[in-house]
Order: sequence, then structure tokens, then C-alpha cells
Amino acid sequence: KNEVEQSPQNLTAQEGEFITINCSYSVGISALHWLQQHPGGGIVSLFMLSSGKKKHGRLIATINIQEKHSSLHITASHPRDSAVYICAVAGNQFYFGTGTSLTVIP
Amino acid sequence: NAGVTQTPKFQVLKTGQSMTLQCAQDMNHNSMYWYRQDPGMGLRLIYYSASEGTTDKGEVPNGYNVSRLNKREFSLRLESAAPSQTSVYFCASSLSGANVLTFGAGSRLTVL
Repeated sequence: KNEVEQSPQNLTAQEGEFITINCSYSVGISALHWLQQHPGGGIVSLFMLSSGKKKHGRLIATINIQEKHSSLHITASHPRDSAVYICAVAGNQFYFGTGTSLTVIP
Repeated sequence: NAGVTQTPKFQVLKTGQSMTLQCAQDMNHNSMYWYRQDPGMGLRLIYYSASEGTTDKGEVPNGYNVSRLNKREFSLRLESAAPSQTSVYFCASSLSGANVLTFGAGSRLTVL
């Protein structure tokens, strides 16, 4: 069983394109996190949100608690955005999606 | 501002050998975690420590032991390594349960 489902699994985009990554979850949560994992392997936290929308630079994260769904948007994508993006939900423990591998081509 | 430091970064073991992965955080976080990451699978929780002095099993604890030595340090021990334990291991910490996770750089373990 997968408590967290992400789509798409893989995504290739041209530089400048608007990108959307989706996350659906099936458990009760207190917060949802978006993480970024670069090819070197390190994982960093991008957002933690429990309602509404957050924006940081070209990244926007939204969450709909009633529909148990979140989206991560990247505006004006750049090759340096190439990474794996991981959705994680915090309930009684953390549950992680398998990640979306994004490649942005110059 | 080191954050979460885990060692070693790489290790190759033979089946049956033992080793300990070390993790330390300098952010005064209460909760610490050990995860493993395998291709095609999400991060899976091995053990966690909600606070100093407590440890609990996660999703995949078999073959591992942990020690929360103090508030800063949380170690993961493989007593008798098996090829199925070949993986990338991440230590993480958070102020408390649902808060932002800070990850270590990862430790790539190969068991032959």
C-alpha cells in the first residue's frame, strides 16, 4: 500500500516551461512537505505546509486538505531545477512518495 | 552551521560483518530518524527517536539496532550485514514530529 502517490514519475521539460508535480495521500496528516534531492544525493526541504499555498522564488506549493492533494509548481524552469522532488506527509510518522525525477533541458 | 552530519559516506562490507553509522545534529532537535532509500522506493523509516532516551521501530527495523546516545547523536548498527541491506542510508532530524526535516548527506553501503 502506498500512503503517498506522486505523478508523474519522470518529467522532461524545456527551459522556461511551467512545471507541475502532483501528490495525493491517503492518511490523515498534520503537514505536507516537499523535498528536493539533487543528483549528488543530498535532500533538502523546500516547503512545509498544512493549508493553502506557499511561494519561494520560482517555486509554489499548494495543498487541498479536503481532496488530500498537493501540487508543486516551478515557473520559468531552469536546468538547475533538475532533481528528484519528493512529497512527504507527516501523520503519526512521515510517509514518503517515490519521487518525481525532473530533467530540464536548456 | 553543520546541520546533520553522518559518517561514513561510503562503506563496503562483507556478509556477516558489523558496522555502525554515526549521526550527529547541532540544531537542538528533539527527533531523529534513520531512513533507507532504495531504487524505485520512497524513503523507508528504519528507526526513530522522538526524544532523548527513547527509540522506536519504523517500517523496516529487522537487522538493525539504534542508540540515542544523547540529544545530538543517534547511531545505527548493523550487527550482521546482509546483501539486502545494500542501500543509501539517511539520518534526519526535526524539532519535533511533524516539523521540517533536516537530512544528512547520506551513507552509501554495499554488502557483498
